[in-house]
Formats: sequence, structure tokens, C-alpha cells
Amino acid sequence: QSVLTQPPSASGTPGQRVTISCSGSSSNIGSNYVYWYQQLPGTAPKLLIYSNNQRLSGVPDRFSGSKSGTSASLAISGLRSEDEADYYCAAWDDSLSGVVFGGGTKLTVL
Amino acid sequence: QVQLLGSGPGLVKPSETLSLTCIVSGGSISSYYWSWIRQPPGKGLEWIGYIYYSGSTNYNPSLRSRVTISLDTSKNQFSLKLNSVTAADTAVYYCATDASGWGYFDYWGQGALVTVSS
Repeated sequence: QSVLTQPPSASGTPGQRVTISCSGSSSNIGSNYVYWYQQLPGTAPKLLIYSNNQRLSGVPDRFSGSKSGTSASLAISGLRSEDEADYYCAAWDDSLSGVVFGGGTKLTVL
Repeated sequence: QVQLLGSGPGLVKPSETLSLTCIVSGGSISSYYWSWIRQPPGKGLEWIGYIYYSGSTNYNPSLRSRVTISLDTSKNQFSLKLNSVTAADTAVYYCATDASGWGYFDYWGQGALVTVSS
């Protein structure tokens, strides 16, 4: 079981807005930055969002991150077919003294 | 632009040691937390650990007793050794840079599938 909890799947139609949640605890999300990664099929993950809500250079502004308490969210607006991928949240965990990941959310664009 | 190229045997026998190397180009080895992350087939990501350029290391508590990450600055590469492997260690192993030491993995290798089987 992953330390951070994500829904296993999400879906939306082109142009829609989709939100993916990531739930943790006071030892990880509650006290540290959250990162979001996108993994296209057969490729290495790619960093999208760092420090809770900062987009990496080159990441479309359709992607946005937020954090409140011990939960975080990744929102994708204006959904496009190329957004179909697995999305992972990550954070440092003070109790484990290590990086923990969510189990991943498979986003399907209908 | 940092580029990472991971390599190693694709097949390891149970109870033996898994060894992977990641060659760094386009950037100085004297920065970053040099990290390893793995992904079992069809499953999620698991952080294995990192080595800082100073030589200090930090490992996932669940793997700490079996893992060693080392750095060879003369060859601009870092390595992973995982001993006493079982089928549960079958995964794609990624080398990556962590700019913060807290999960900011900005550059990734292509991934190396390692299968543990007799």
C-alpha cells in the first residue's frame, strides 16, 4: 500500500477539467512540498509540478497544483488526448526520512 | 541538460545481487542527489534512495538492509547494488537526479528492466 493515496483512475472528455487528488498525513504532505509526475506509456516519469503549485518550465498552464492541509490536487483543464497517462504525487516523509509516492492515477481521455 | 543512461544485466537469479550503473553526461556529478527509483511491472513508483555528491546516502527503510548506492566521480557515474534479490525485486529501475533531496526528480534515465528469475 502506498503512503500517499490517489484514486486509481480518472477520466474526462476533451476540453473538460479533471482533478486528481493525493491524500497523505502530517508527516508528508502536511509538512513538505508536493510534486506531481506524468508518465506516458512506456516512458520514464516527467516532473510537472514542484513545490505544491509551481509548473516546471515548458509545462502547459493547463496543469496546476494545489495543497491544503494533508491533501493535494492536480488539475488539468482543457483536457487533450495527449494528457492520457499515469499521474503520480510525491512528497518527503519526515517519519520515514524518505520520498514517498502515491499509487498513481490512470487518466483516460474519452 | 543532464542526460542519464542506466545499464546492467536484465536477468538476475534469486538470492544474488542486482547491479546497475547510471552514466551522467551534460552536467556535473558534484551537484544533485543521485537517485534510484523502481517500478514493478504494472505498478507504481518506489523510491530506493540517493547519494549526494559529498558521499552521504539515504535509503528507503524497507530496502536499507539490502541496498548500496555509490558514486564514482572520476567516471561521472553512480551505481546501485541490491543484494539477496527475490521475484518481488523484478522492476524497471530508473536513475534520476533529485535537485532538492526531497523528491524533485527533474532528470530521468530511460529505465532498465531487471527480472529476477532462475
